[in-house]
Amino acid sequence: DAGVIQSPRHEVTEMGQEVTLRCKPISGHNSLFWYRQTMMRGLELLIYFNNNVPIDDSGMPEDRFSAKMPNASFSTLKIQPSEPRDSAVYFCASSFGTGAGETQYFGPGTRLLVL
Amino acid sequence: AQSVAQPEDQVNVAEGNPLTVKCTYSVSGNPYLFWYVQYPNRGLQFLLKYITGDNLVKGSYGFEAEFNKSQTSFHLKKPSALVSDSALYFCAVRDIYYGQNFVFGPGTRLSVLP
Repeated sequence: DAGVIQSPRHEVTEMGQEVTLRCKPISGHNSLFWYRQTMMRGLELLIYFNNNVPIDDSGMPEDRFSAKMPNASFSTLKIQPSEPRDSAVYFCASSFGTGAGETQYFGPGTRLLVL
Repeated sequence: AQSVAQPEDQVNVAEGNPLTVKCTYSVSGNPYLFWYVQYPNRGLQFLLKYITGDNLVKGSYGFEAEFNKSQTSFHLKKPSALVSDSALYFCAVRDIYYGQNFVFGPGTRLSVLP
């Protein structure tokens, strides 16, 4: 299995521009998670989906952030407009099942720099 | 609410010596505990988890962790450290009452010196 796939791996953009991050979960997994990692705040859960439905988006920082999962094999995280404080590494993870003991498998991350 | 503490920002150990990375947790119900490792410019890789049963859990790359309910701890251990073990280690907890949400600790940077 190829694991969780994220694109792009690196993104540099200017403040005010729209940024779209993409994720392909492991085939057969039905839960998908978006995380953000910064030095100041560590790893934060932004949103997660179960069976393509958003379950908890309480971690989404503000209305500039939105996430979609149109089908079981694809999800996007969009930031519009982007700001310098959005600079971080964004991880996507997926898991099979909804039990609390299920392991999440992480993608390689997208390193975002907003100038 | 659930929380995780990793009391050491940095752990240094000589190659060949045993290593321990500490983790303590707080949950309302029964904990589900995980260890992940992150190498530079990479995503998090799963090492091991405790769900129930034997308090000593064995995982990938020779790592193991011991669940101690009375001390609310889940320390990561390895009998003989390798230079290639140098990385950032994260402990995470999930409480069954909080569903899917992981809470990650701040991470501990392990440096294994040759």
